[in-house]
Amino acid sequence: EVQLVESGGGLVQPGGSLRLSCAASGFTFRSYEFNWVRQAPGKGLEWVSYISSSSNDIKYADSVKGRFTVSRDNAKNSLYLQMSSLRADDTAVYYCARERTTTAFDYWGQGTLVTVSS
Amino acid sequence: QSALTQPRSVSGSPGQSVTISCTGTSSDIGSYNYVSWYQQHPGKAPKLMIYDVTKRPSGVPDRFSGSKSGNTASLTISGLQAEDEADYCCCSYAGMYTLVFGGGTKLTVL
Repeated sequence: EVQLVESGGGLVQPGGSLRLSCAASGFTFRSYEFNWVRQAPGKGLEWVSYISSSSNDIKYADSVKGRFTVSRDNAKNSLYLQMSSLRADDTAVYYCARERTTTAFDYWGQGTLVTVSS
Repeated sequence: QSALTQPRSVSGSPGQSVTISCTGTSSDIGSYNYVSWYQQHPGKAPKLMIYDVTKRPSGVPDRFSGSKSGNTASLTISGLQAEDEADYCCCSYAGMYTLVFGGGTKLTVL
């Protein structure tokens, strides 16, 4: 069974940092590309970042460029999102999502809530 | 990149058909056949319903169908069922590996 489990969310002060993790199981992790997608409370989905299977291609939304860093460890079947210089508008549930094809995310984690507040 | 435009809400009675529109620009929907649709029930993760404009993943009922014309994509749900009540969100490729989502549409089954 394909499973994606996010962790690492929590309450952080503005300007602070947080590292999210996404543990994958049930499939060949190294064969897939992944994305991070977030959803602010009561709002729609927002694409955050993309990483290719071998990490040689990485993309970010303009809203997080220069502040967030996506990475993966294929040996550990894990995906990461390092977030720094966090702002109130980064408050959201963050999902990791496996990419089937461009824009087609066939498996999602349960999400982890990041709250940026003083 | 601006979000794709969707109606805030749509509704229909059981057995009826509803169509949800998703309007973008010539830089996203109008340029690529990479449009997907997601269903999201409250408190749950999104579920892929349509990808590549018209394709359905295995397990998604054929009551769900997708189409595109110009800068607008559409999701049609026929034979509405109570369990179809959810939020629906479109997504399009926008070039240079950037993706843009719609604001979401709440479907109410009357």
